[in-house]
Amino acid sequence: DAGITQSPRHKVTETGTPVTLRCHQTENHRYMYWYRQDPGHGLRLIHYSYGVKDTDKGEVSDGYSVSRSKTEDFLLTLESATSSQTSVYFCAISSGSRSGGELFFGEGSRLTVL
Amino acid sequence: GENVEQHPSTLSVQEGDSAVIKCTYSDSASNYFPWYKQELGKGPQLIIDIRSNVGEKKDQRIAVTLNKTAKHFSLHITETQPEDSAVYFCAVQGADGLTFGKGTHLIIQP
Repeated sequence: DAGITQSPRHKVTETGTPVTLRCHQTENHRYMYWYRQDPGHGLRLIHYSYGVKDTDKGEVSDGYSVSRSKTEDFLLTLESATSSQTSVYFCAISSGSRSGGELFFGEGSRLTVL
Repeated sequence: GENVEQHPSTLSVQEGDSAVIKCTYSDSASNYFPWYKQELGKGPQLIIDIRSNVGEKKDQRIAVTLNKTAKHFSLHITETQPEDSAVYFCAVQGADGLTFGKGTHLIIQP
């Protein structure tokens, strides 16, 4: 299995509180991604990174920010969590270019916003 | 952006029969089409992929076919087994990464 660790794996929080999810990789892959998975919507890209301090928005980036200060860590922050952000969040990594390559996914972080 | 449609959303087949899942996409410039399998409580895993310079690719019981003119590609699983029960996602490579279909829940009936 690719060396990807997501933390926390489960979190329950209240509306309006800040939340940070962490993705840590040991593969030294250049590309890192955050997806959310919701019933009926599949996997949707939130943000991605193509290097240290290089990040860009995905399809559903509103309400989320990211940071990548080291190759191995990619943080996803919800500044003020809302109930619509209740979801399962997956981190993925890839060594490939934007022309396509295998994504390796973490085990997911289940977030519940009450 | 890329639009990926996946059908059916649920597929139930008898063990030993074949299963086919289809996806269509919108961007004719796309050239990489992977399929991922997700088991309960886990992250998706790549099972097969195809690039636009070939029309078909096989790996044991699974195969993917691509029709670039019609902008659709399909996953074929033959001789289905209980361990094939999972959610399957097609995906299409775009400028900002992969766009996924909404998934197909494949159920293998004993």
